[in-house]
Amino acid sequence: DGGITQSPKYLFRKEGQNVTLSCEQNLNHDAMYWYRQDPGQGLRLIYYSQIVNDFQKGDIAEGYSVSREKKESFPLTVTSAQKNPTAFYLCASSIRGSGANVLTFGAGSRLTVL
Amino acid sequence: GQNIDQPTEMTATEGAIVQINCTYQTSGFNGLFWYQQHAGEAPTFLSYNVLDGLEEKGRFSSFLSRSKGYSYLLLKELQMKDSASYLCAVRDAQAAGNKLTFGGGTRVLVKP
Repeated sequence: DGGITQSPKYLFRKEGQNVTLSCEQNLNHDAMYWYRQDPGQGLRLIYYSQIVNDFQKGDIAEGYSVSREKKESFPLTVTSAQKNPTAFYLCASSIRGSGANVLTFGAGSRLTVL
Repeated sequence: GQNIDQPTEMTATEGAIVQINCTYQTSGFNGLFWYQQHAGEAPTFLSYNVLDGLEEKGRFSSFLSRSKGYSYLLLKELQMKDSASYLCAVRDAQAAGNKLTFGGGTRVLVKP
């Protein structure tokens, strides 16, 4: 079955450590996204990529980095520069172009900073 | 920029109807989406409106009025499994990358 796989599901990090969240999709989608979700708040866009080897900052990119070396993969690194990294992170993908372009989401990764 | 408002929480009884409102302000409207999200899980797509009017999908319907910057999601014949958060999201025509802006979500609690 096609879908998006995020790992790990739960991650604990000490302050000052970088961590990388994995996102893999087999939907043949060109576009991929990373969102952050905090309790009681909407999803906020961190980074997005429309094609391989290209990505753009979203609304809250500071303290995060991404890469898009393969169409299927869009890993997110949460760096020590991110001051409040504890959150639920969602990866999504979609086709490009006009129209509905519905987002398909992964199951999420919950990061807790100790 | 965009601003999206929806109620924080609503409670309804099994078998009843609930209407979740969403108001938005955007510089270049290019579609409105509703997603359902159960606690700790991925959001799943429910509906898409780009033209004014009502879109019906089984027990769920979504309405859009572009002139009023207003949408609602109507859930009929509520079931316990409908207890979830419902996210309203608006796409900006002037934003690259199919960028969606999400509201804070409305948590719906269905009681027996």
